[in-house]
Parts: sequence; structure tokens; C-alpha cells
Amino acid sequence: EVQLVESGGGLVRPGGSLTLSCVASGFTFNNAAMTWVRQAPGKGLEWVGRIKTRTDGGTTDYGALMRVRFTISRDDSKNTLYLQMNGLRVEDTAVYYCSPWGGAYWGLGTLVTVSS
Amino acid sequence: DVLMTQSPLSLPVTLGQPASISCRSSQSLAHSDGNTYLTWFQQRPGQSPRRLVYNVSNRDSGVPDRFSGSGSGTVFTLKISRVEAEDVGVYYCMQGTHWPNAFGQGTKLEIK
Repeated sequence: EVQLVESGGGLVRPGGSLTLSCVASGFTFNNAAMTWVRQAPGKGLEWVGRIKTRTDGGTTDYGALMRVRFTISRDDSKNTLYLQMNGLRVEDTAVYYCSPWGGAYWGLGTLVTVSS
Repeated sequence: DVLMTQSPLSLPVTLGQPASISCRSSQSLAHSDGNTYLTWFQQRPGQSPRRLVYNVSNRDSGVPDRFSGSGSGTVFTLKISRVEAEDVGVYYCMQGTHWPNAFGQGTKLEIK
């Protein structure tokens, strides 16, 4: 059974930093490009970015609003995906989901609240 | 960046009646590898998204056959042949052909 468990969310002040983790199981993690998607309260889905497999170069791509402040990385030895977020803004408040590229599986997400 | 536009944004449907959601992209989603990376997701209230259809018309395992996807180029459609109560939620299209990938605004399906 595929499982994706996001963690690391919480309350952070504007300008602060946070690193989210996603532990994957039930599929061959190192063969999967992985993505982060977020959803602000009451709003739609927004693509954050993705990281390719090491075999494909491990490169990253980001949504236009996230390119400068967010960094996606992966540790295949731990089946874990990361999202490092810097310079957080109130508008970054959202549930953050991880998913293999293509969206076949989703976790429950982790809530990030940016507020003073 | 590619813009994805869904219509309608709100879709009240009578139980047992058909429903149709349109998704248009600002650029063709036909990829040079021969695939068209257009995906449909369902998000029921309080739940994570669930993939229904990938590559325009391929239904995921466990998805009822009343759901069907079609289209090509820049125009795509998700159809529900007979709406059931469990279909209530928000439906999103997403393009995976161009970077960055992008979602439509979502279509909220409700029962009349």
C-alpha cells in the first residue's frame, strides 16, 4: 500500500523559515519524480514544484511564485522528500501535499500557518 | 506559463443526471513524446485530492466507469454519466506537459 506522510507544518511568523518532510512507502521512491502541491484555506490546488529522479538529473522546477523562496530536495536513502521555505508570507498559509509526479497518490498534507 | 481555465465553476446537478466539466489550456498539451498530460482530480469535502483520469482518458483503478475523460490539444472534458451523492466535491484539471505544471480553478459539483 502506498503511503505518503507529510510533516513539519505549524505556525510561523512572516519572514520565517520552515522545512517540510514527506516520507514515502509502498513504491520505488528513487524511481519517482516527486511534487509538492499546496492549497490555501477554501481555495484551489496550486502546484509548488517538482524534483526529478537522480537518474534524470535530480533537477527541480517551481511555480512562478515559489522559485526564489522555496527549495525542493530529496533523500532517496530515507525515501523522503523535503520542501524548504524561506521568507514566508501570510499568503503561503496552506495545506502542503506531496505526491509522485502525475498525482496518482496523495498524503493527508501538513498545514502551514504564517501569521504574526 | 500555461493557463488552465475550467467551466463552469459551480455545477448543481440532480441525482442520476449527467454532468460535464470543461477544461481549456492556453497552449496545446500534446507532448513531443506522444502523450497529452491532462489529468482530472476529485477532491471530496475534507479529503485529499484523488486522481480520476490521466493522459486525457485513462481512468484510474477503482474509479467508477461513469467517469470519462476526453479531448485533445487545448480542449478537454470530464463527464459523469449519472451523478451519485458520493460525487459531491471539487474537480480539478491539471496539465503536466509544460513547466510549471498548472491546475484549473476547480469546479464545485453539488446536488440540487
